[in-house]
Amino acid sequence: GDSVTQMEGPVTLSEEAFLTINCTYTATGYPSLFWYVQYPGEGLQLLLKATKADDKGSNKGFEATYRKETTSFHLEKGSVQVSDSAVYFCALRDTGNQFYFGTGTSLTVIP
Amino acid sequence: NAGVTQTPKFRVLKTGQSMTLLCAQDMNHEYMYWYRQDPGMGLRLIHYSVGEGTTAKGEVPDGYNVSRLKKQNFLLGLESAAPSQTSVYFCASSTVIAGGKTQYFGPGTRLLVL
Repeated sequence: GDSVTQMEGPVTLSEEAFLTINCTYTATGYPSLFWYVQYPGEGLQLLLKATKADDKGSNKGFEATYRKETTSFHLEKGSVQVSDSAVYFCALRDTGNQFYFGTGTSLTVIP
Repeated sequence: NAGVTQTPKFRVLKTGQSMTLLCAQDMNHEYMYWYRQDPGMGLRLIHYSVGEGTTAKGEVPDGYNVSRLKKQNFLLGLESAAPSQTSVYFCASSTVIAGGKTQYFGPGTRLLVL
């Protein structure tokens, strides 16, 4: 079945460091891919998405490129801020409109 | 628009008690979902609905029931709560409009079963 695997955390970075959170997926067909962010005590919020191969999703300085050849959708940010501290979830939506989520990666950014 | 709202925000139950979690959305979305979130396990789909009057099982449906009597509401019921159902429950909704349909999440309900 379809699934998402993302790197385990927690990840701790200093402010202005470069961030990469790896995400790979297994799916039949052509899924859409998402990154969601969850701040403490809140629900998940969509961060960015990509709907087809080679698409790049971007938002708030975060980027991820849909790589079909490597079945990956890695999240990157060039310079993290303390306010980026949160849990990040990679997810895919299959052709049947079901969503599959990774286990989440906790990011802490220290000043 | 309020988006997706969940009631209650927090609840403590004793083993064997029953309760209903309410999810409401004002975006006219066709699809609605119930997930549970547990440490180290991400989100797991409990049940979902593709339209008013329809429901389907997700990955972890045992011990839960759902109903979608109105398009805007999706209820999750626990008939006889167990400590294993201690979790944070999230409701979500999405449209059926083609092209990268996005899920919108509620703020969550924290449930503690003693």
